[in-house]
Amino acid sequence: DTEVTQTPKHLVMGMTNKKSLKCEQHMGHRAMYWYKQKAKKPPELMFVYSYEKLSINESVPSRFSPECPNSSLLNLHLHALQPEDSALYLCASSQAGGLSGNTIYFGEGSWLTVV
Amino acid sequence: GQNIDQPTEMTATEGAIVQINCTYQTSGFNGLFWYQQHAGEAPTFLSYNVLDGLEEKGRFSSFLSRSKGYSYLLLKELQMKDSASYLCAFFTAGSYQLTFGKGTKLSVIP
Repeated sequence: DTEVTQTPKHLVMGMTNKKSLKCEQHMGHRAMYWYKQKAKKPPELMFVYSYEKLSINESVPSRFSPECPNSSLLNLHLHALQPEDSALYLCASSQAGGLSGNTIYFGEGSWLTVV
Repeated sequence: GQNIDQPTEMTATEGAIVQINCTYQTSGFNGLFWYQQHAGEAPTFLSYNVLDGLEEKGRFSSFLSRSKGYSYLLLKELQMKDSASYLCAFFTAGSYQLTFGKGTKLSVIP
């Protein structure tokens, strides 16, 4: 089973709203990722959690706030977003980062529209 | 610096063979991935090469030459459902950063 589950699949939110994206994996992976993908562009790394600790924050604005409650769950809290933040948000996981054989598996993504 | 390059678009005929090339530059290399992404969907894992040579998986094969900074994805017996974007990406050694190419949009025509 190589499944990463994301909810919701689609989210429309206003610029003053607070919402969260959720991600879950039960593969025993210890690295989890948030990527952002705009249309016709490759995924861009936002955050990496390794062993439930934030390892990488790719200079992401503070209106995006990640949280890793446990080794299976990863959340992305959204507040005061801008219309240009509308994109596909991809969660991913791997056994660990940067090591041979650690394939990154992606979830189906959450389509976010900010109005 | 780090750089990865692949063609933007390719077109091939159903039943044919197509090769999608990827060249990369990085100071520390730790494996190259190929992902398939259909429009509106998330990337799905196709292959991973860390050593030189050819890895075959059914209709798909992936090749790596580390000395040349070069990889290709070979798709045989093309089917219409193979129309998608194909992303190559590499891991930098000791990093969680997966650097993606811009993707190659493959269109399979009858």
